[in-house]
Amino acid sequence: AQKITQTQPGMFVQEKEAVTLDCTYDTSDQSYGLFWYKQPSSGEMIFLIYQGSYDEQNATEGRYSLNFQKARKSANLVISASQLGDSAMYFCAMRSVRMDSSYKLIFGSGTRLLVRP
Amino acid sequence: EAQVTQNPRYLITVTGKKLTVTCSQNMNHEYMSWYRQDPGLGLRQIYYSMNVEVTDKGDVPEGYKVSRKEKRNFPLILESPSPNQTSLYFCASAPYLRGSNQPQHFGDGTRLSIL
Repeated sequence: AQKITQTQPGMFVQEKEAVTLDCTYDTSDQSYGLFWYKQPSSGEMIFLIYQGSYDEQNATEGRYSLNFQKARKSANLVISASQLGDSAMYFCAMRSVRMDSSYKLIFGSGTRLLVRP
Repeated sequence: EAQVTQNPRYLITVTGKKLTVTCSQNMNHEYMSWYRQDPGLGLRQIYYSMNVEVTDKGDVPEGYKVSRKEKRNFPLILESPSPNQTSLYFCASAPYLRGSNQPQHFGDGTRLSIL
């Protein structure tokens, strides 16, 4: 069965510092995708970054980067130069790319990040 | 603007009173899905649709119905709502491309309270 584990229910970071949000996953599939979403207090889900299982380089999108360690089955999100607006809930998610998959996203339980001024 | 639109955003209702949450997307996406979000559980899939007239159950379909008569719309129906369906609901859509990993685009969410 596929599973996403986020072991940090909550985290603090000082403004302008970098922070790493942990995500480990479990799957028997060879081909899959890993996603990170941000959910601010207003509730919407905002797509941040994506990593494919066969991508050789770690994904980066602006201040977001994904530290992908396939052998360890981890896909940690790194936010550089934290800003007050980064305070939010962050979800790691995975989707199988099997031909018979339901295209479903499997979500972790989330990490609430609070950026201190 | 490309978007997924859900209505209503908030609803308080009573047990047993049928309700429908609408979802519409303007991106011509084949795939649409409903999730519910509960504290400590992340998001869980309720139903999904690969295309018009093609729907299937997700992980938590009990008490819900869906329909996909048009490509852009994917309403979620609660025939007889109960308090355990109090939750935050999200509709999502994506292009359906086998082997690809297009991100799903989410609506802004609908917060349902069933008294």
